[in-house]
Amino acid sequence: QVQLVQSGAELKKPGASVKVSCKASGYTFTSSYLHWVRQAPGQGLKWMGLINPNYGTTIYAQKFQGRVSMTRDTSTNTVYLELSSLRSDDTAIYYCARGGSGMILVNPFDTWGQGTPVTVSS
Amino acid sequence: QSVLTQPPSVSGAPGQRVTISCTGSSSNIGAGYDVHWYQHLPGTAPKLLIYLTSNRPSGVPDRFSGSKSGTSASLAISGLQAEDEADYYCHSYDRNLGGFVIFGGGTKLTVL
Repeated sequence: QVQLVQSGAELKKPGASVKVSCKASGYTFTSSYLHWVRQAPGQGLKWMGLINPNYGTTIYAQKFQGRVSMTRDTSTNTVYLELSSLRSDDTAIYYCARGGSGMILVNPFDTWGQGTPVTVSS
Repeated sequence: QSVLTQPPSVSGAPGQRVTISCTGSSSNIGAGYDVHWYQHLPGTAPKLLIYLTSNRPSGVPDRFSGSKSGTSASLAISGLQAEDEADYYCHSYDRNLGGFVIFGGGTKLTVL
């Protein structure tokens, strides 16, 4: 079955960077967009961007441009989210999510990772 | 605040029917973009509940239904059960924003 497994919880200091991984299995890795979504404490879901695992091309939400980088490793079917210049308001659970079957931008997110808590605190 | 507006909370007794609205604008839902809905239980990953406005993935009970009209969409839950208590989010697309994927602010459903 389709599965996304994320790396474990992170504790970072303000100004540092964090890199979260998301390993895909159960489908052809290069056939679906992978998205990153975060949820800050007490808040709703916020889309951060997506990566096309086939070409490595990305689209980032305007809010995160300049601080975010999404990459992939096709040898291990893994995508990565790196967020730099961390602030306390980056404290959140970060989810990867598959954008359905096929490279269609408006597909629903049919499979989600378990989430990676990131805490930013001095 | 979110581009898609949802009520912060709704409630209903077991067996009742509730609806959750998702109000957008002419640049998103009103532009014809589909709406998807997710159920999110604390400590778990969100679960796709309704896709392409009114379709249910395999395994989702037919108590859950979705619709759209104009610049708004709705999720209806009939025959409420205690296990339906969760947060619900709508998801669509906006052609004007820098970064086109948008979520509603979420609605907390309480089963009384």
